[in-house]
Amino acid sequence: QVQLVESGGGVVQPGGSLRLSCGASGFTFNTYGMHWVRHSPGKGLEWVAFIRYDGTDTDYADSVRGRFTVSRDNSKHTLYLQMSSLRTEDTAVYSCVKDPSSGYFFDSWGQGTLVTVSS
Amino acid sequence: QSALTQPRSVSGSPGQSVTISCTGTSSDVGGYNYVSWYQLHPGKVPKLMIYHVSERPSGVPDRFSGSKSGNTASLTISGLQAEDEADYYCCSYAGRYSYVFGTGTKVTVL
Repeated sequence: QVQLVESGGGVVQPGGSLRLSCGASGFTFNTYGMHWVRHSPGKGLEWVAFIRYDGTDTDYADSVRGRFTVSRDNSKHTLYLQMSSLRTEDTAVYSCVKDPSSGYFFDSWGQGTLVTVSS
Repeated sequence: QSALTQPRSVSGSPGQSVTISCTGTSSDVGGYNYVSWYQLHPGKVPKLMIYHVSERPSGVPDRFSGSKSGNTASLTISGLQAEDEADYYCCSYAGRYSYVFGTGTKVTVL
């Protein structure tokens, strides 16, 4: 079955950077788009970013555009999220989510990795 | 990309029905029939309850139903059960590859 395992979270100071990874298995990774979604107690669920199956196109939430970059390495079945200029409001659990073949909802989530932005 | 508006909380007794509203704009909820609903229990991965406004994935009880009118979508839980106590979030496709989630609703079973 689909398995998504995130890593790379931790504590970082405001203005700092962090790179998250998501290892995928149980499906043909290079044929599916992938999303990052975050969850924080204060702001709830928030869609963060998307990358096409082949990496040729991406999209971002306005709140992270210009600071975060999503990428993927299909040879390693891995999704990445490079986060820079981090703010306290970026504190959340970040999950990678597989885009379903029929689109427009999220049915396969990773457990997530916690990012804490604090001085 | 403003969050969709949901009530902060709703409650009901076992066996009763509750409805959660999810209000957006013509650029998201009103513009597409791509509203989905997710159930969150503490420490667990979000569970898809409804997709494409009113479709139920296999394994989701038929007491969960979804609908939409204009810029507002709704999730109704009929025959409320103790295990339905959780947070619920709506989500709408918002164009290109983007999505917007709701503010979240805590469902309490009295």
